[in-house]
Amino acid sequence: DAGVTQSPTHLIKTRGQQVTLRCSPISGHKSVSWYQQVLGQGPQFIFQYYEKEERGRGNFPDRFSARQFPNYSSELNVNALLLGDSALYLCASSPYTDTQYFGPGTRLTVL
Amino acid sequence: AQSVSQHNHHVILSEAASLELGCNYSYGGTVNLFWYVQYPGQHLQLLLKYFSGDPLVKGIKGFEAEFIKSKFSFNLRKPSVQWSDTAEYFCAVTLDSNYQLIWGAGTKLIIKP
Repeated sequence: DAGVTQSPTHLIKTRGQQVTLRCSPISGHKSVSWYQQVLGQGPQFIFQYYEKEERGRGNFPDRFSARQFPNYSSELNVNALLLGDSALYLCASSPYTDTQYFGPGTRLTVL
Repeated sequence: AQSVSQHNHHVILSEAASLELGCNYSYGGTVNLFWYVQYPGQHLQLLLKYFSGDPLVKGIKGFEAEFIKSKFSFNLRKPSVQWSDTAEYFCAVTLDSNYQLIWGAGTKLIIKP
Protein backbone atom coordinates (compact mmCIF):
# COMPACT_ATOMS: atom_id res chain seq x y z
CA ASP A 1 0.00 0.00 0.00
CA ALA A 2 1.22 3.49 -0.81
CA GLY A 3 2.09 5.68 2.13
CA VAL A 4 1.55 9.39 2.50
CA THR A 5 2.98 11.25 -0.46
CA GLN A 6 4.04 14.86 -0.60
CA SER A 7 5.09 17.15 -3.41
CA PRO A 8 7.38 18.73 -4.21
CA THR A 9 10.31 17.18 -2.36
CA HIS A 10 12.33 20.36 -2.31
CA LEU A 11 11.45 23.95 -3.03
CA ILE A 12 13.42 27.18 -3.12
CA LYS A 13 11.59 30.50 -2.92
CA THR A 14 12.50 34.10 -2.23
CA ARG A 15 11.11 36.32 0.47
CA GLY A 16 7.63 37.65 -0.26
CA GLN A 17 6.68 34.84 -2.61
CA GLN A 18 3.85 32.39 -2.11
CA VAL A 19 4.12 28.59 -1.98
CA THR A 20 1.70 25.66 -2.21
CA LEU A 21 2.58 22.26 -0.80
CA ARG A 22 0.57 19.16 -1.58
CA CYS A 23 -0.22 15.96 0.30
CA SER A 24 -2.00 12.74 -0.60
CA PRO A 25 -3.06 10.62 2.38
CA ILE A 26 -3.01 6.87 2.72
CA SER A 27 -6.00 5.35 0.95
CA GLY A 28 -8.99 5.26 3.29
CA HIS A 29 -7.61 7.92 5.64
CA LYS A 30 -9.93 10.90 6.06
CA SER A 31 -7.79 13.14 8.24
CA VAL A 32 -4.74 15.15 7.23
CA SER A 33 -2.49 17.18 9.51
CA TRP A 34 0.35 19.57 8.70
CA TYR A 35 3.45 20.19 10.79
CA GLN A 36 6.48 22.45 10.47
CA GLN A 37 9.85 21.09 11.56
CA VAL A 38 12.71 23.51 11.94
CA LEU A 39 16.19 22.02 12.06
CA GLY A 40 17.05 20.74 15.51
CA GLN A 41 13.50 20.91 16.86
CA GLY A 42 10.46 18.69 17.04
CA PRO A 43 7.59 19.30 14.63
CA GLN A 44 5.09 22.07 15.38
CA PHE A 45 1.40 21.61 14.60
CA ILE A 46 -0.04 23.87 11.90
CA PHE A 47 -3.45 22.46 10.84
CA GLN A 48 -5.63 19.39 11.00
CA TYR A 49 -8.48 18.61 8.62
CA TYR A 50 -11.08 15.87 8.84
CA GLU A 51 -13.71 15.31 6.18
CA LYS A 52 -12.77 18.63 4.56
CA GLU A 53 -13.36 20.62 7.75
CA GLU A 54 -10.67 22.30 9.82
CA ARG A 55 -10.42 20.50 13.16
CA GLY A 56 -7.53 22.42 14.63
CA ARG A 57 -5.11 25.25 14.01
CA GLY A 58 -1.77 25.80 15.66
CA ASN A 59 -0.09 29.04 16.63
CA PHE A 60 0.85 30.18 13.13
CA PRO A 61 0.08 33.51 11.42
CA ASP A 62 -2.72 33.98 8.94
CA ARG A 63 -0.16 33.77 6.13
CA PHE A 64 -0.57 30.01 6.56
CA SER A 65 -3.73 28.43 5.17
CA ALA A 66 -4.81 24.98 4.11
CA ARG A 67 -7.67 23.06 2.64
CA GLN A 68 -8.75 19.47 2.12
CA PHE A 69 -10.35 18.24 -1.07
CA PRO A 70 -13.19 15.70 -1.59
CA ASN A 71 -10.60 12.98 -2.30
CA TYR A 72 -9.01 13.84 1.11
CA SER A 73 -5.81 15.23 -0.39
CA SER A 74 -4.69 18.53 1.03
CA GLU A 75 -2.78 21.69 0.21
CA LEU A 76 -0.86 23.97 2.52
CA ASN A 77 -0.38 27.55 1.32
CA VAL A 78 2.04 30.06 2.74
CA ASN A 79 1.91 33.67 1.58
CA ALA A 80 4.47 36.46 1.91
CA LEU A 81 7.29 34.06 2.72
CA LEU A 82 9.81 35.00 5.38
CA LEU A 83 13.30 33.62 5.93
CA GLY A 84 11.98 31.99 9.10
CA ASP A 85 9.54 29.89 7.09
CA SER A 86 12.46 27.76 5.91
CA ALA A 87 11.74 24.31 7.31
CA LEU A 88 10.64 20.78 6.57
CA TYR A 89 6.86 20.68 6.15
CA LEU A 90 5.34 17.37 7.13
CA CYS A 91 1.99 15.96 6.24
CA ALA A 92 0.41 13.15 8.25
CA SER A 93 -2.73 11.15 7.61
CA SER A 94 -4.92 9.11 9.94
CA PRO A 95 -8.09 7.05 9.54
CA TYR A 96 -9.96 9.30 11.93
CA THR A 97 -7.94 11.60 14.14
CA ASP A 98 -5.91 9.12 16.13
CA THR A 99 -2.59 7.61 15.07
CA GLN A 100 -0.88 9.75 12.46
CA TYR A 101 1.34 8.41 9.68
CA PHE A 102 3.84 10.76 8.13
CA GLY A 103 5.02 11.48 4.63
CA PRO A 104 8.60 12.30 3.65
CA GLY A 105 8.07 16.04 3.89
CA THR A 106 8.75 19.02 1.66
CA ARG A 107 11.96 20.91 2.34
CA LEU A 108 11.27 24.63 1.82
CA THR A 109 14.16 27.05 1.61
CA VAL A 110 13.42 30.77 1.58
CA LEU A 111 16.22 33.03 0.32
CA ALA B 1 1.34 25.64 28.09
CA GLN B 2 1.49 21.90 27.73
CA SER B 3 4.90 20.59 26.75
CA VAL B 4 6.94 17.47 26.18
CA SER B 5 10.50 17.16 27.46
CA GLN B 6 13.14 14.77 26.22
CA HIS B 7 16.01 14.83 28.61
CA ASN B 8 18.89 13.90 26.35
CA HIS B 9 19.48 15.60 23.02
CA HIS B 10 22.36 13.30 22.07
CA VAL B 11 23.10 9.77 23.24
CA ILE B 12 26.05 7.65 22.15
CA LEU B 13 26.11 3.94 22.96
CA SER B 14 28.02 0.88 21.90
CA GLU B 15 26.28 -2.06 20.27
CA ALA B 16 24.61 -4.43 22.74
CA ALA B 17 24.26 -1.71 25.37
CA SER B 18 20.86 -1.12 26.95
CA LEU B 19 18.91 1.99 26.04
CA GLU B 20 16.53 4.20 27.93
CA LEU B 21 15.35 7.53 26.52
CA GLY B 22 13.39 9.78 28.81
CA CYS B 23 10.14 11.56 27.97
CA ASN B 24 8.05 13.67 30.33
CA TYR B 25 4.94 15.68 29.60
CA SER B 26 3.20 18.46 31.48
CA TYR B 27 -0.56 17.83 31.50
CA GLY B 28 -2.87 16.47 34.18
CA GLY B 29 -5.62 15.15 31.95
CA THR B 30 -5.98 12.22 29.57
CA VAL B 31 -3.12 11.69 27.17
CA ASN B 32 -2.25 9.47 24.25
CA LEU B 33 1.48 8.87 23.96
CA PHE B 34 3.69 8.10 20.99
CA TRP B 35 7.29 7.44 20.09
CA TYR B 36 8.33 8.10 16.52
CA VAL B 37 11.70 7.34 14.94
CA GLN B 38 13.44 9.00 12.03
CA TYR B 39 16.26 6.96 10.48
CA PRO B 40 18.87 8.84 8.43
CA GLY B 41 17.35 9.93 5.13
CA GLN B 42 13.94 8.52 5.95
CA HIS B 43 10.65 9.94 7.15
CA LEU B 44 9.10 9.72 10.59
CA GLN B 45 7.86 6.25 11.47
CA LEU B 46 5.66 5.19 14.36
CA LEU B 47 7.63 3.09 16.84
CA LEU B 48 4.89 2.49 19.42
CA LYS B 49 1.87 4.12 21.02
CA TYR B 50 -0.15 4.07 24.22
CA PHE B 51 -3.84 4.92 24.39
CA SER B 52 -5.08 2.90 27.38
CA GLY B 53 -4.73 -0.45 29.13
CA ASP B 54 -1.42 -2.13 29.95
CA PRO B 55 1.04 0.70 30.63
CA LEU B 56 3.90 -1.37 29.20
CA VAL B 57 3.65 -1.26 25.44
CA LYS B 58 5.76 -3.07 22.91
CA GLY B 59 6.63 -1.65 19.52
CA ILE B 60 8.56 -2.58 16.46
CA LYS B 61 12.21 -3.67 16.39
CA GLY B 62 12.31 -4.75 20.03
CA PHE B 63 11.45 -1.36 21.53
CA GLU B 64 9.11 -0.94 24.48
CA ALA B 65 7.88 1.97 26.58
CA GLU B 66 6.28 2.27 29.99
CA PHE B 67 3.63 4.84 30.86
CA ILE B 68 3.96 5.96 34.49
CA LYS B 69 1.03 8.29 35.11
CA SER B 70 2.24 9.46 38.52
CA LYS B 71 5.53 10.58 37.01
CA PHE B 72 4.03 11.96 33.78
CA SER B 73 6.57 9.85 31.95
CA PHE B 74 6.72 7.58 28.92
CA ASN B 75 10.31 6.34 28.66
CA LEU B 76 11.52 4.31 25.71
CA ARG B 77 13.67 1.22 26.31
CA LYS B 78 15.53 -1.45 24.40
CA PRO B 79 17.59 -4.14 26.13
CA SER B 80 20.30 -4.42 23.49
CA VAL B 81 20.81 -1.83 20.75
CA GLN B 82 22.17 -2.44 17.28
CA TRP B 83 24.08 -0.19 14.93
CA SER B 84 20.90 0.04 12.81
CA ASP B 85 19.13 1.80 15.71
CA THR B 86 21.10 4.95 14.93
CA ALA B 87 18.35 7.51 14.39
CA GLU B 88 16.52 10.43 15.93
CA TYR B 89 13.75 9.53 18.36
CA PHE B 90 10.77 11.77 19.11
CA CYS B 91 8.25 11.54 21.92
CA ALA B 92 4.83 13.07 21.23
CA VAL B 93 1.48 13.34 23.00
CA THR B 94 -2.10 14.26 22.26
CA LEU B 95 -4.27 15.73 25.01
CA ASP B 96 -7.87 14.70 25.81
CA SER B 97 -9.87 14.82 22.59
CA ASN B 98 -7.48 17.23 20.92
CA TYR B 99 -5.65 15.40 18.17
CA GLN B 100 -2.76 17.77 17.68
CA LEU B 101 0.54 16.08 18.36
CA ILE B 102 2.77 17.96 20.79
CA TRP B 103 6.38 16.97 20.29
CA GLY B 104 9.57 16.79 22.24
CA ALA B 105 12.74 18.20 20.73
CA GLY B 106 14.05 14.74 19.85
CA THR B 107 17.02 12.62 20.90
CA LYS B 108 19.75 11.78 18.42
CA LEU B 109 21.00 8.28 19.12
CA ILE B 110 24.32 7.11 17.71
CA ILE B 111 25.30 3.47 18.07
CA LYS B 112 29.01 2.73 17.70
CA PRO B 113 29.69 -0.58 15.93
